[in-house]
Amino acid sequence: DGGITQSPKYLFRKEGQNVTLSCEQNLNHDAMYWYRQDPGQGLRLIYYSQIVNDFQKGDIAEGYSVSREKKESFPLTVTSAQKNPTAFYLCASSLTGEGEQYFGPGTRLTVT
Amino acid sequence: GQQLNQSPQSMFIQEGEDVSMNCTSSSIFNTWLWYKQEPGEGPVLLIALYKAGELTSNGRLTAQFGITRKDSFLNISASIPSDVGIYFCAGQSNFNKFYFGSGTKLNVKP
Repeated sequence: DGGITQSPKYLFRKEGQNVTLSCEQNLNHDAMYWYRQDPGQGLRLIYYSQIVNDFQKGDIAEGYSVSREKKESFPLTVTSAQKNPTAFYLCASSLTGEGEQYFGPGTRLTVT
Repeated sequence: GQQLNQSPQSMFIQEGEDVSMNCTSSSIFNTWLWYKQEPGEGPVLLIALYKAGELTSNGRLTAQFGITRKDSFLNISASIPSDVGIYFCAGQSNFNKFYFGSGTKLNVKP
């Protein structure tokens, strides 16, 4: 079954702790993306990666970090420096040069 | 970052009615995409458009890529209760980045 998986679906953390969100795809896509979605709002780009071992900051990268050691994996770490980390996080992927982007089911992070 | 102007923000319609929503941008895009998102889930790709002027259908959904490459619309015909959700447009630029509209929330009364 091809697709994008994100785990866990729900994540709870205490303020001051770093937390890593998982994203895996078996679509053989080159490019992967992380977005943040707040209630009633659109998607904002955090980081994206077009190739293994390379990634670029999106519009709201502060307080986040990523790695891309394998083509199929693009984990996102929400650090304690992120001022307002509670949100719905979406991972996506696409073939480089192709127009279609596909999303995972999302992880809802709650930090208290 | 760049955002697309998507309208309307929300719609309340009766089952069986047709729906139309659109997106505009100040920039040219290579691809326009339309997604549907249900609560607590990731967006699902409905239609992808690749050429200016292209008109594409997917069941009761029809979308068009504007001639100027700066706009797109999505129509849903004969709406049903399961059409309820938030519809997003997205445009793809030259550098493999995608820009999203703020969404149209569709409510359908049976």
